[in-house]
Amino acid sequence: NAGVTQTPKFRVLKTGQSMTLLCAQDMNHEYMYWYRQDPGMGLRLIHYSVGEGTTAKGEVPDGYNVSRLKKQNFLLGLESAAPSQTSVYFCASRPGGSGNTIYFGEGSWLTVV
Amino acid sequence: QQQVKQSPQSLIVQKGGISIINCAYENTAFDYFPWYQQFPGKGPALLIAIRPDVSEKKEGRFTISFNKSAKQFSLHIMDSQPGDSATYFCAASKDTSGSRLTFGEGTQLTVNP
Repeated sequence: NAGVTQTPKFRVLKTGQSMTLLCAQDMNHEYMYWYRQDPGMGLRLIHYSVGEGTTAKGEVPDGYNVSRLKKQNFLLGLESAAPSQTSVYFCASRPGGSGNTIYFGEGSWLTVV
Repeated sequence: QQQVKQSPQSLIVQKGGISIINCAYENTAFDYFPWYQQFPGKGPALLIAIRPDVSEKKEGRFTISFNKSAKQFSLHIMDSQPGDSATYFCAASKDTSGSRLTFGEGTQLTVNP
């Protein structure tokens, strides 16, 4: 089973460039999330979606945009990359309802130079 | 505002020893407390979770202890093994549909042979 798949896995960007991270899940989950992980700061929520066609801001949304046109896909965009956006990005999904397990992808390593 | 504080940041334990990681939360509305385990190069995966109607939950060598009055919970790994070396994250949320997890900063555990 594929679970949650993120592409690309690694990317180096120049300051000011744009890019899109793609997340795909094959578990028919309602909720999807984008987190960033930085040393000593845990996992911080960037944006999330509670269903197809919906998006909402998390803790650290500035500089990012998202879209969920299809239930299985959640895209994270950086319109003008900054060095502060160098991080490891994780997509996650879970079924609807309470207390359900969140399933994470394997991460996307982004470096902005 | 960090709503879930985790300690220690790093922990070194000898094989066979007990590993203890602590978390404290601020929001009294939280009522779902999972622990995630993350190996290098991988996404976090659910290890064990507890709800506040019980003070302890055990799964194999892993135990969560929960103290509602102190707003604290901890992960105990008995008979720690080198294969347990990973980063551990505590998290908390309201146990309702659509709720979002707030993660601690993470603890890097190393179990020496």
